[in-house]
Amino acid sequence: GAVVSQHPSWVICKSGTSVKIECRSLDFQATTMFWYRQFPKQSLMLMATSNEGSKATYEQGVEKDKFLINHASLTLSTLTVTSAHPEDSSFYICSARGPSWDNEQFFGPGTRLTVL
Amino acid sequence: EDKVVQSPLSLVVHEGDTVTLNCSYEVTNFRSLLWYKQEKKAPTFLFMLTSSGIEKKSGRLSSILDKKELFSILNITATQTGDSAIYLCAVEVSTGRRALTFGSGTRLQVQP
Repeated sequence: GAVVSQHPSWVICKSGTSVKIECRSLDFQATTMFWYRQFPKQSLMLMATSNEGSKATYEQGVEKDKFLINHASLTLSTLTVTSAHPEDSSFYICSARGPSWDNEQFFGPGTRLTVL
Repeated sequence: EDKVVQSPLSLVVHEGDTVTLNCSYEVTNFRSLLWYKQEKKAPTFLFMLTSSGIEKKSGRLSSILDKKELFSILNITATQTGDSAIYLCAVEVSTGRRALTFGSGTRLQVQP
């Protein structure tokens, strides 16, 4: 199957700082990338959908000015958590899909963010 | 609003037991239902189901979809401790962005 990587795999930061998470499709062109968040003992919740070259579509309740998403190329999307607070501590997972209608989503390994 | 409900929420069994995990859904424009296994990291893909009544099988795992009754089951036979994980059910719709809506997951613990 296709490979999606995320970097970093974990990060600890101080409250008020910004953190950038990268999601890369390594062997295919990802026209669409999804960002999910998973709190402890909960399921994955979709935060936003990004299509290459256009603005991301955010789910209800997700602040677009706080979670900045950039999908500037067909192999890279970034999620920046701005002015992070302890309640933003979570497991962030991206997934990527190719351009064909039949393409499935492939998940990255996730990034664990801890905000002190 | 699309909804995916899994049951039970958690399950403890002994090695060798057979388990059945349930997933029901209410979505508009259903395209497929997917099962994932999640251990400590991101979910790993198990099955994608699009047609009713056709069982998908992989080793000791199997799954089937009922599009009339809007549910799917995931069976694991002869469970092993390595099957301990959270099993996630997700539904994909055929319109718009085609993101996945996940259920809350079933936490399975297999004891030796």
